[in-house]
Amino acid sequence: AIQMTQSPSSLSASVGDRVTITCRATQGIRNDLGWFQQKPGKAPKLLIYAASTLQSGVPSRFSGSGSGTDFTLTISSLQPEDFATYYCLQDYNYPFSFGQGTKLEIK
Amino acid sequence: QVQLQESGPGLVKPSETLSLTCAVSGDSFGGYFWSWIRQPAGKELEWIGRIYVSGSTNYNPSLRSRVTMSLDTSKNQFSLKLNSVTAADTAVYYCAREWGYWGQGMLVTVSS
Repeated sequence: AIQMTQSPSSLSASVGDRVTITCRATQGIRNDLGWFQQKPGKAPKLLIYAASTLQSGVPSRFSGSGSGTDFTLTISSLQPEDFATYYCLQDYNYPFSFGQGTKLEIK
Repeated sequence: QVQLQESGPGLVKPSETLSLTCAVSGDSFGGYFWSWIRQPAGKELEWIGRIYVSGSTNYNPSLRSRVTMSLDTSKNQFSLKLNSVTAADTAVYYCAREWGYWGQGMLVTVSS
């Protein structure tokens, strides 16, 4: 099974900061990777699919890149509503697998 | 607007079967994969499995021996059954139309 490792596990940042979260797969997954934002008590929300395609309605400050085993999610200028937990998901191979999450907190 | 809503018992006894249904509105099943995902409190997301409109399924090997998914196109809903549950199956269960639409989630507690 493919394992997805996110780093960091937690991150403190300020409004306006640029932040990057990484996700690494234990084997190549082409670009079959999505990024999700989850707020407490809510379902995950799709931000990015196919590694770099912005989901409709998601602000352009979110961007994704990568292919193969290494991927990044970048938020160009943090807004107050961006403080949440972020997950990556590979749907290249069964069983699909999520990263362990990155909790983004206010500094 | 596509909407998904999980329903079912919120409390299941150990060794019994967890049964959840996901009602889909605003869309039909055609052309999409439909997944179940769960999340124990304070933990990461776990993919349980998926079903296609043809009825074909793929399950997480960690749960495969206990999981059954089905769909009812006439009722626009799909279902999850997980048998022989233990406390480790306590979690919020989500249904999703991969991956842009999710239900709000349903807490299922396994306890006697």
